[in-house]
Amino acid sequence: DAGVIQSPRHEVTEMGQEVTLRCKPISGHDYLFWYRQTMMRGLELLIYFNNNVPIDDSGMPEDRFSAKMPNASFSTLKIQPSEPRDSAVYFCASRGPVGTDTQYFGPGTRLTVL
Amino acid sequence: DQQVKQNSPSLSVQEGRISILNCDYTNSMFDYFLWYKKYPAEGPTFLISISSIKDKNEDGRFTVFLNKSAKHLSLHIVPSQPGDSAVYFCAVRTQGGSEKLVFGKGMKLTVNP
Repeated sequence: DAGVIQSPRHEVTEMGQEVTLRCKPISGHDYLFWYRQTMMRGLELLIYFNNNVPIDDSGMPEDRFSAKMPNASFSTLKIQPSEPRDSAVYFCASRGPVGTDTQYFGPGTRLTVL
Repeated sequence: DQQVKQNSPSLSVQEGRISILNCDYTNSMFDYFLWYKKYPAEGPTFLISISSIKDKNEDGRFTVFLNKSAKHLSLHIVPSQPGDSAVYFCAVRTQGGSEKLVFGKGMKLTVNP
């Protein structure tokens, strides 16, 4: 298995532009998580899905952020418009059914907003 | 307000010695505790976990200890190896069916040959 796949690995954009981060979870996993890592706040959960349905989006910082999971093998995190304070590493993770507690993380997308 | 604290940002040990990484948490409702390891330019990888009904769990060179009365979690690595050099995160999960993990800010371990 290829593990969790994220694209792009690096993204540099200008303030005000739309940014879309992509994630392909491990096949058969029915939980998907989006995290953001910054120096100030560490690794924080933004949102998670179960069977493609958003369960907890309390970590989404503001309306500029949105996440979708149109099917079991694909999810997106969109920032529109982007701001310099959104610069961070964004991780996607997936996990199997309840009873399997390990989350498997992708390599992350390093986002820089100028 | 940090619910999970890793108060030491870094630790340096000699190869072959024990590494002890500490983590404190504030909420007694947490029911599951995990340690993740992260290398540069990679995502965190799961290392070891422990349920709140236990106080110790071992997996090879790695042992996690849970002291619920002190709300304290520790990871022991013995013997430490240079390949263990990484950033270590502790994480906790709340009771009640949520799958949300709350992570500490991480601690950088350096194992010197």
